[in-house]
Formats: sequence, C-alpha cells, structure tokens
Amino acid sequence: NAGVTQTPKFRVLKTGQSMTLLCAQDMNHEYMYWYRQDPGMGLRLIHYSVGEGTTAKGEVPDGYNVSRLKKQNFLLGLESAAPSQTSVYFCASSSGPAVTEAFFGQGTRLTVV
Amino acid sequence: GENVEQHPSTLSVQEGDSAVIKCTYSDSASNYFPWYKQELGKGPQLIIDIRSNVGEKKDQRIAVTLNKTAKHFSLHITETQPEDSAVYFCAASRSGGGADGLTFGKGTHLIIQP
Repeated sequence: NAGVTQTPKFRVLKTGQSMTLLCAQDMNHEYMYWYRQDPGMGLRLIHYSVGEGTTAKGEVPDGYNVSRLKKQNFLLGLESAAPSQTSVYFCASSSGPAVTEAFFGQGTRLTVV
Repeated sequence: GENVEQHPSTLSVQEGDSAVIKCTYSDSASNYFPWYKQELGKGPQLIIDIRSNVGEKKDQRIAVTLNKTAKHFSLHITETQPEDSAVYFCAASRSGGGADGLTFGKGTHLIIQP
C-alpha cells in the first residue's frame, strides 16, 4: 500500500522557471492538502481540496496554483519560481475534514537559485 | 485565524527519562489536537490525537492532556528510547467551516541521550 506518493523528491530550479509537483494517494481520500516546511516555521498550509474539482486557499497561497482534476491526484504549480519558495513541500490526504488523521507523503525538497 | 505556540524548540533527555512538550492555541473553537512525529527525511506521522470532549488520552508510553479552559495541551513520553529521537509537532484544527487543514506549532527536536 503506497499511501501518499510525491514526485519528484528533489528539484533545483532557476528563478523564473516553472514546475509542477505531483501528489498521488491510493486511499480514496476526499481531502488533500499541500504544506510547506521551512526551518523553525513548522508546516504551513498552501492550498487544499475537499474533493475532485475543488480547490481552496490556505495560509500561504501566493505564488502557487493547484488543480484536482482526479480524486487521487493533487498538483501544485509554481508559475515563476522565486528564491523565497525554496522549501520542503509535503502533500497530505485525509478521509474527512481537518479533524481526521492526515497521511503525509515523503516530501519534495525544492531549491530555487 | 488559529495560532499554535510550541515549547521547547529543543529537548534533550536521558534514555529512560520522561519528556514533556507543551502547546497553546488561540482559537477557542478548535476541537481536534493531533501530535505528529517526523523522522529525518520523512513526512510527519500521526502518533496520537485528542478531541475537545476528552481531557486525557494514553497509548502505551505516550499520553496527551488537554486543558480547554487554558487552551493548552501537552505530549508526555515516558521511558524514552533512542527511537523516540525525532521532531514532534503539535497541531490544532476545528470542524465545520470547511476543511481548513491543520495549524502546526513550530516543532520540538527531541534528543534522547544514551
């Protein structure tokens, strides 16, 4: 059982480049989330989805876009990467709202130079 | 929005001793308080959670207590072992109003000294 899988695991971007991070879950979860983790900052919510075709902004959405075209996938896009977006990105999913257990992926370490 | 404060940022204890990590939250409507453990290079993993209608919950060597009046909750680990070394995060969330995700504390690096 794979759980939550993130692709890629590592990436280096130049300022201004674009990229998409892919999150896939095989638990048939309705809810999916993207967080970023910075040293000394904990995890902060970027965007989330409560079901296929829906997305909503979290605490730090600026500079990111998301899409949930399929229930099992949640994509995070950076249209024009900035050094401030250097971070470790985690995807998570849960069967219900935020008051149920969230399962996290292994993370994507992104460096923007 | 919700704000979660976590202390200490680093905690070093001798193997076999107990460890306590404390968190406070600001939103009185929060009603779910999970604790996550993150090992190096991995994603956070839920170790225990508590809901606002419960004051204490225990699972083997791990326990969590909640004081709703003070908006305070704590993680207690007894008889610590080397495999307990990790970063621990507390979090808070509320039901209703949409799935706004979890608000995390900044984490505690727990070091178990042999």
